[in-house]
Amino acid sequence: DAKTTQPNSMESNEEEPVHLPCNHSTISGTDYIHWYRQLPSQGPEYVIHGLTSNVNNRMASLAIAEDRKSSTLILHRATLRDAAVYYCILKVTGNQFYFGTGTSLTVIP
Amino acid sequence: SQTIHQWPATLVQPVGSPLSLECTVEGTSNPNLYWYRQAAGRGLQLLFYSVGIGQISSEVPQNLSASRPQDRQFILSSKKLLLSDSGFYLCAWSVNLGAGNTIYFGEGSWLTVV
Repeated sequence: DAKTTQPNSMESNEEEPVHLPCNHSTISGTDYIHWYRQLPSQGPEYVIHGLTSNVNNRMASLAIAEDRKSSTLILHRATLRDAAVYYCILKVTGNQFYFGTGTSLTVIP
Repeated sequence: SQTIHQWPATLVQPVGSPLSLECTVEGTSNPNLYWYRQAAGRGLQLLFYSVGIGQISSEVPQNLSASRPQDRQFILSSKKLLLSDSGFYLCAWSVNLGAGNTIYFGEGSWLTVV
């Protein structure tokens, strides 16, 4: 399965934007970039996904590099409820979803 | 709308005892179904996935097994639990729409083997 690399942890002040990076240098042309987040003691929840173009939804924005070897999840204004582990995964054709260890985001009041 | 439920939410089992975790999905047909495990402080490990009744793919060798007796029911079992089986078990589903589809998780089951 294609690999992603994320920082183990990040901190952000409340009300400020957060940029969570992800490297996926071995991405192939048909791989989708997905982001999920996991709140404590819960299952992961879908945040956003994209293929080539930048994507926006009510939760976040996804900025994809032109060569697609990296992407950034952008939370425009961090709240305490955004404290979670954020997973960047590559979804290849097929049925499997492989999650790494993600980035643990701490939001400081 | 689609919903996913798994149970029990928590259980404490002695080493060597059997295990059965159940998961059901409502509001969709022929979903892909998954079992994941998350050890304390670790990432999510895909254990099994299923694309249809009776079709199970195992991702890692272990003393766990999975079964799919009905379209929207997925069961995780063990005949004899080990201490290393402790963890947070998550059932999930997706629809088969290729690489753009998303996955949805249940509430999770905390298993402690003592």
